[in-house]
Amino acid sequence: DTEVTQTPKHLVMGMTNKKSLKCEQHMGHRAMYWYKQKAKKPPELMFVYSYEKLSINESVPSRFSPECPNSSLLNLHLHALQPEDSALYLCASSQAGYTRRGGELFFGEGSRLTVL
Amino acid sequence: AQSVAQPEDQVNVAEGNPLTVKCTYSVSGNPYLFWYVQYPNRGLQFLLKYITGDNLVKGSYGFEAEFNKSQTSFHLKKPSALVSDSALYFCAVRDRSDNNDMRFGAGTRLTVKP
Repeated sequence: DTEVTQTPKHLVMGMTNKKSLKCEQHMGHRAMYWYKQKAKKPPELMFVYSYEKLSINESVPSRFSPECPNSSLLNLHLHALQPEDSALYLCASSQAGYTRRGGELFFGEGSRLTVL
Repeated sequence: AQSVAQPEDQVNVAEGNPLTVKCTYSVSGNPYLFWYVQYPNRGLQFLLKYITGDNLVKGSYGFEAEFNKSQTSFHLKKPSALVSDSALYFCAVRDRSDNNDMRFGAGTRLTVKP
């Protein structure tokens, strides 16, 4: 069982909808991540939060908006998405600071997004 | 920037035989290296990592990996494969600077046949 919980597991949305993906962890990790994964491809890094501050944004389109309300929660707000944004969105967490570099990521089960 | 390569899209082995899934890396300096496994429609599960010290790293489910600095490789191995090991395996790397984060290889699909 994963200690990183993602909701919803499945989401279908139209191109004009606004929705959010949510992620929660209670391992005391202070680094949290969003990855996007297309079928049979590796995860692609989107955003990294370290101590609740955005530290990495991999030039992701503005229709994806991350938010880290506190050390346990990470959201990904979705607006005006395109069909090509359909993918598995993975949240992960790890230790932060100096120890983060050698620390493994703990992944959630993912939210499968379909944009019609 | 750091990167990893997994030269094989697919590896097939018979149950009970040893398995190897290959990974090579490219970083400036010494890397942190990781292996993850992904089952269908699931997130990634951590298997093992190399940080420093012994070149042979032991991980979950009987897997191990050998860090070879001269060949810039970090191959995943298991002495005796199980059908349940069939999954998608990702090698990942992080360099020792604070400017980049974990990057994954393209993945290798392992199929273990009874």
